[in-house]
Amino acid sequence: SQQGEEDPQALSIQEGENATMNCSYKTSINNLQWYRQNSGRGLVHLILIRSNEREKHSGRLRVTLDTSKKSSSLLITASRAADTASYFCATDKLTGGGNKLTFGTGTQLKVEL
Amino acid sequence: DSGVTQTPKHLITATGQRVTLRCSPRSGDLSVYWYQQSLDQGLQFLIQYYNGEERAKGNILERFSAQQFPDLHSELNLSSLELGDSALYFCASSFGPTYNEQFFGPGTRLTVL
Repeated sequence: SQQGEEDPQALSIQEGENATMNCSYKTSINNLQWYRQNSGRGLVHLILIRSNEREKHSGRLRVTLDTSKKSSSLLITASRAADTASYFCATDKLTGGGNKLTFGTGTQLKVEL
Repeated sequence: DSGVTQTPKHLITATGQRVTLRCSPRSGDLSVYWYQQSLDQGLQFLIQYYNGEERAKGNILERFSAQQFPDLHSELNLSSLELGDSALYFCASSFGPTYNEQFFGPGTRLTVL
């Protein structure tokens, strides 16, 4: 079962605009990660934010985490056509010495020229 | 290119058959994870191995099994295949057993007819 929901399910914007995606999850977490997936291909890790962090930046990406609301957001600034992809949040939880990543439902982003 | 390799890229087989998917982790990574991605279930964690030992288990069916060999490559065996097993199967790797970003392979697309 999915850990959480992502909102919106799909987002279409013009190149140069900012894109914001939200992720909500259900249980307590250790870290939250964001991944990108181009159509039918492998996932690419974007950023990891720890449960004791509130905000993190990486290039044009900004991630926030609110553990009290069990939610995170991913902001992509100055979007490009190459940013067109599906974006997933994933929460990890320590389990018996291993690490179980639970993915959200994903947001499909389309950036138009 | 994440450095994780998966073979084969595509696999088409019939119901009731057995297949083996293979994964080689990034050089230096000791953990291997298997995920299933389907339209109805989304991305589901199946199982994790760390340095040859099972570390975490997810929604893996009893018909499915995996192992990690001394050279750290891993195989996922799917038996008594059903139509609903058609999906993309991803392998990912990380250095440690916990709290790591995971590097995903390109996936194996399994079609069961």
